[in-house]
Amino acid sequence: GIQVEQSPPDLILQEGANSTLRCNFSDSVNNLQWFHQNPWGQLINLFYIPSGTKQNGRLSATTVATERYSLLYISSSQTTDSGVYFCAVDSDSGYALNFGKGTSLLVTP
Amino acid sequence: KAGVTQTPRYLIKTRGQQVTLSCSPISGHRSVSWYQQTPGQGLQFLFEYFSETQRNKGNFPGRFSGRQFSNSRSEMNVSTLELGDSALYLCASSPRGLAGAATDTQYFGPGTRLTVL
Repeated sequence: GIQVEQSPPDLILQEGANSTLRCNFSDSVNNLQWFHQNPWGQLINLFYIPSGTKQNGRLSATTVATERYSLLYISSSQTTDSGVYFCAVDSDSGYALNFGKGTSLLVTP
Repeated sequence: KAGVTQTPRYLIKTRGQQVTLSCSPISGHRSVSWYQQTPGQGLQFLFEYFSETQRNKGNFPGRFSGRQFSNSRSEMNVSTLELGDSALYLCASSPRGLAGAATDTQYFGPGTRLTVL
């Protein structure tokens, strides 16, 4: 199946800093989503972005499908941004998301 | 619109028992998927249902099964529970397959945390 690699695995930032999270995938994709998992375990959908660029407030994402990677940008980070960020892809329309191992982000005051 | 709901939120069972988890999708969504999350294996796909038909299944033993009802609500069942089945079980719904659906975005519920003792 398709391989999904996320980097870095862990990240510690001070409030106000910017960060870039990366997701590499091994095959062409039909679906790519970024999620934020909150401390209670719920996966919050951030972006559906199989290609192109999107922005939502302090967050933005870019997927370069031809080079098989996606980037999630967090600007002016806040403590509430802490948690685990997952990239997930669906390569063959089998309706099954393949998740990376996540990036664990801690934003300190 | 209300989001995806899952019941129960927490469950404690003992080895050998069976368990049934329930998921209600976002109103109008007909696609429901289930995932298992463990510290060791991460998030893994279990199965996906659309209009009461299982369309895809992940690499899990036959002890894991599911079904979908005509109102799109879904249940998953795990029989003969093992310690390794302790996990967060997440359900997601998607508007895929609906006429005019713009994306295949999957929306997740809060999960059911299962502990097997």
